[in-house]
Amino acid sequence: TQLLEQSPQFLSIQEGENLTVYCNSSSVFSSLQWYRQEPGEGPVLLVTVVTGGEVKKLKRLTFQFGDARKDSSLHITAAQPGDTGLYLCAGVEETSGSRLTFGEGTQLTVNP
Amino acid sequence: DAMVIQNPRYQVTQFGKPVTLSCSQTLNHNVMYWYQQKSSQAPKLLFHYYDKDFNNEADTPDNFQSRRPNTSFCFLDIRSPGLGDAAMYLCATSTEIAGSSYNEQFFGPGTRLTVL
Repeated sequence: TQLLEQSPQFLSIQEGENLTVYCNSSSVFSSLQWYRQEPGEGPVLLVTVVTGGEVKKLKRLTFQFGDARKDSSLHITAAQPGDTGLYLCAGVEETSGSRLTFGEGTQLTVNP
Repeated sequence: DAMVIQNPRYQVTQFGKPVTLSCSQTLNHNVMYWYQQKSSQAPKLLFHYYDKDFNNEADTPDNFQSRRPNTSFCFLDIRSPGLGDAAMYLCATSTEIAGSSYNEQFFGPGTRLTVL
């Protein structure tokens, strides 16, 4: 059983559309991060959320941490082809010390 | 700019021929990680160094070894690569403080390993 479930696994949309990626768990997380990985490159940290209910914005990207710190979402407004990549959520489970657990990722393709 | 550097970016080796991948960092982070990532999957942690302390994951094959001669450098040695070891290998670093659950990791660009 995957500790962090990401959905959808694959997403292909047209430029200009909005989308939301979800990261869910039955465990409580002390912190949760979102990374974006482009083909042939390493993951790049986008944001870290630590407080239940926290919302952070990064240009057209909005990240939310659930009130109970068990889930998170990433919303992209007016997607662009440059947003294409693998989006990974990763979290530190409250009882695991500092171990970082990754979700399986969401492969996003934004078509021109 | 502070960064995590991996060399080479692409490595081709033969079945059974030992290979070493290298990682260096200018972030002065105390923790360094090696991950294996296969096509469009999540990175899988192989092991990490907390300062000089080596921490192996329970399911990491003995075929994979690591060395960290100093704070800045870390090496991944694959003693006898098999076809199933072809993957992207990612190095990451973080600053961990004992008792803290904050763990932002900074990744290098990866080394793509091909096994012929």
